[in-house]
Amino acid sequence: AQSVAQPEDQVNVAEGNPLTVKCTYSVSGNPYLFWYVQYPNRGLQFLLKYITGDNLVKGSYGFEAEFNKSQTSFHLKKPSALVSDSALYFCAVRAVRSGGSYIPTFGRGTSLIVHP
Amino acid sequence: SQTIHQWPATLVQPVGSPLSLECTVEGTSNPNLYWYRQAAGRGLQLLFYSVGIGQISSEVPQNLSASRPQDRQFILSSKKLLLSDSGFYLCASKTSGSREQFFGPGTRLTVL
Repeated sequence: AQSVAQPEDQVNVAEGNPLTVKCTYSVSGNPYLFWYVQYPNRGLQFLLKYITGDNLVKGSYGFEAEFNKSQTSFHLKKPSALVSDSALYFCAVRAVRSGGSYIPTFGRGTSLIVHP
Repeated sequence: SQTIHQWPATLVQPVGSPLSLECTVEGTSNPNLYWYRQAAGRGLQLLFYSVGIGQISSEVPQNLSASRPQDRQFILSSKKLLLSDSGFYLCASKTSGSREQFFGPGTRLTVL
């Protein structure tokens, strides 16, 4: 079975400060890891993914995430937060070998609030 | 790149009425398709997925059903809505060339 934990329901950060949204996972074998962002009343938008290779992955809107195999973590980061980054962020994991359904498991989401 | 359409965008229905939500995908062929429900603006619950025409897998027992009459069309239905069916319904697609899903804009369903 695979699972994802996003330990913080909400993260508050001041504009211009660095931000981190935490994610840990559990999966059999190697993982594929994903981050999505959701603005109010919208669908999820894909931000970035880790498949293999470099542990630091760069994605859309200046976001990046670091894959740490020993800590089974995939924290989302951004050096300087913008008010427009305020949204709901979802981490997801899927085992590399997961059969034809390719179903990821999503975390419960973390609400990021960036204060002006 | 693929585009996912969902309609309607919002829907208010009385308890006991039928439901039909539609999802169509452009820009890809033979995608895996998924229906999710998001309650209270938080976690996603996978309802159904489909790996091909006429192939539907249900993840949770419930009042809803799904069908895939065409390669790029996925329909979520109910014969009689319950209050608990209210929520934000998201359709997602995954192509054979990618590992991530892409999501449609969602349908907000309110059952009164």
